[in-house]
Amino acid sequence: AQKITQTQPGMFVQEKEAVTLDCTYDTSDPSYGLFWYKQPSSGEMIFLIYQGSYDQQNATEGRYSLNFQKARKSANLVISASQLGDSAMYFCAMSSNTGGFKTIFGAGTRLFVKA
Amino acid sequence: SAVISQKPSRDICQRGTSLTIQCQVDSQVTMMFWYRQQPGQSLTLIATANQGSEATYESGFVIDKFPISRPNLTFSTLTVSNMSPEDSSIYLCSVGGTLYEQYFGPGTRLTVT
Repeated sequence: AQKITQTQPGMFVQEKEAVTLDCTYDTSDPSYGLFWYKQPSSGEMIFLIYQGSYDQQNATEGRYSLNFQKARKSANLVISASQLGDSAMYFCAMSSNTGGFKTIFGAGTRLFVKA
Repeated sequence: SAVISQKPSRDICQRGTSLTIQCQVDSQVTMMFWYRQQPGQSLTLIATANQGSEATYESGFVIDKFPISRPNLTFSTLTVSNMSPEDSSIYLCSVGGTLYEQYFGPGTRLTVT
């Protein structure tokens, strides 16, 4: 069975510092995609970054980077130079061929950025 | 990328009534999905909306409670039937179909009193 695990219910970070949000996954499918989404209090799901299982390099999008360690089945999100607007809920998610391209989500991590 | 709109954006409904949520995409997409996010929880997939056939429901969700229509490749509706306070959630429509495409609508925030 496929599973996404986020073990940090809440995280605090000082403004302008970097923070790592943890995500581990489990799948037997060799072909899969990993996503990170940000959900502010408004409720919308904002796509941040994507990593494919066959991608050789870690994905980066501006201040976001994904630390992909395939052998350990981890896909941690690194946010550099945190901003107050980064305070939100963050979800790690996975989609795969055998999963019918349905996306499963982790429990989420609430990030608090302190001024 | 796909642009997705949902109507209504929020609603307050009385228990025992039904609400239909609409999802419109700006391009034709193969797969559409409906998710529920209960307060303080993660997203749970309700069903996959298939064009021209019945929706495929996940364990714990049934058609009588959450009927879904998919009349064409750009539109779908989800109805929440015979509502109870436990149905108070954010309902999100998403589209996908490949490993790297998964876009979400803005969500419908439903409160049942």
